[in-house]
Amino acid sequence: SQQGEEDPQALSIQEGENATMNCSYKTSINNLQWYRQNSGRGLVHLILIRSNEREKHSGRLRVTLDTSKKSSSLLITASRAADTASYFCATVVSGYSTLTFGKGTMLLVSP
Amino acid sequence: DADVTQTPRNRITKTGKRIMLECSQTKGHDRMYWYRQDPGLGLRLIYYSFDVKDINKGEISDGYSVSRQAQAKFSLSLESAIPNQTALYFCATSGPGGLGDTQYFGPGTRLTVL
Repeated sequence: SQQGEEDPQALSIQEGENATMNCSYKTSINNLQWYRQNSGRGLVHLILIRSNEREKHSGRLRVTLDTSKKSSSLLITASRAADTASYFCATVVSGYSTLTFGKGTMLLVSP
Repeated sequence: DADVTQTPRNRITKTGKRIMLECSQTKGHDRMYWYRQDPGLGLRLIYYSFDVKDINKGEISDGYSVSRQAQAKFSLSLESAIPNQTALYFCATSGPGGLGDTQYFGPGTRLTVL
């Protein structure tokens, strides 16, 4: 069963705009991670946020975590065509040691 | 140079055939994972191994088996392939820093079962 669910399923924006993707999950977590996948390729880790953290930044990425709402958001600022990819959230459920992935958000950034 | 490699990259096989997918890593990680990805379903965990003597079933292990030949090698076998095992398969590794660490993925194997 899916622990994380991303929203929206697909997002289309213009270069320079910001892109926001959301992830909701069902049970308490140890940490939440975001990964990017370019078409048909392996996933690449973007950022990890622990359950006791509320916000993290990495370059143009900003991730927030609200454990009371069991949700996270990924913001990509000043999007570029190269940001076109699928983005997945993955959670580590408390007491477990493996990742559970959501179904992903497909982001299309048009020049 | 890729840290996590998978062979083959593409494979077409027939129903009932035995097939092995191989994964090697040079990251020195103890933990290795096999996932499958189906369109619209994200990644689902098949098996994982935290060291050479440790093998664990994931969410969807039925129809699959694995072998951890060495710290750096983790193979996935389909004993008798069936069409609904057509998918993109990924191997991943993670380090010993703690539970739920960042995972590093291979490029994937696209498997088609006819």
